[in-house]
Amino acid sequence: EAQVTQNPRYLITVTGKKLTVTCSQNMNHEYMSWYRQDPGLGLRQIYYSMNVEVTDKGDVPEGYKVSRKEKRNFPLILESPSPNQTSLYFCASRTGTSGRARGTDTQYFGPGTRLTVL
Amino acid sequence: AQSVTQPDIHITVSEGASLELRCNYSYGATPYLFWYVQSPGQGLQLLLKYFSGDTLVQGIKGFEAEFKRSQSSFNLRKPSVHWSDAAEYFCAVVGWNTGFQKLVFGTGTRLLVSP
Repeated sequence: EAQVTQNPRYLITVTGKKLTVTCSQNMNHEYMSWYRQDPGLGLRQIYYSMNVEVTDKGDVPEGYKVSRKEKRNFPLILESPSPNQTSLYFCASRTGTSGRARGTDTQYFGPGTRLTVL
Repeated sequence: AQSVTQPDIHITVSEGASLELRCNYSYGATPYLFWYVQSPGQGLQLLLKYFSGDTLVQGIKGFEAEFKRSQSSFNLRKPSVHWSDAAEYFCAVVGWNTGFQKLVFGTGTRLLVSP
């Protein structure tokens, strides 16, 4: 089954304790992305990756890191989490990297990771 | 930069009644528009998308949306709502000025279905 998986689904942590949220897709997609969802703000892009070893900032990258060492995986790293990073996080993937035609491709979303930073 | 506005935070509809969720976008060229649904505790599922051509787009679960350039709108409709349609709905746009690298989402509309 084609899917995007995220782990963990729920996480409660404390300020400053480094954490990683994993994301994996089995569709051989080139493009992957992380979003955070906050009430009243919708989803906002944190980082995206157009292929292995190619990553770039989205709209709200501060406090986050990513890596793309393999095509299927795109972990999100919070090196020193703070309470304002309490949010619902979604990983997404799609085929293609750039260009008008690829903009029409469907993004597939993972089930989300609910993070609470105390 | 493109943006999306969903003016209704919550909407309550009786089961069996018709539904229309509003979405307005701000974008200079022809946008690529999407509607996603998020059921409680779930990820986002694509309902339908519009790129060009026929302005009335059919999607899954009996949903449709109509692109109206003159009104900068892409409203989602369903003729008869089922209790299982209760969820949060997001309109989104992707465009050339971001290299098609991100979806810009509206703030969402939460649909409640009453018996």
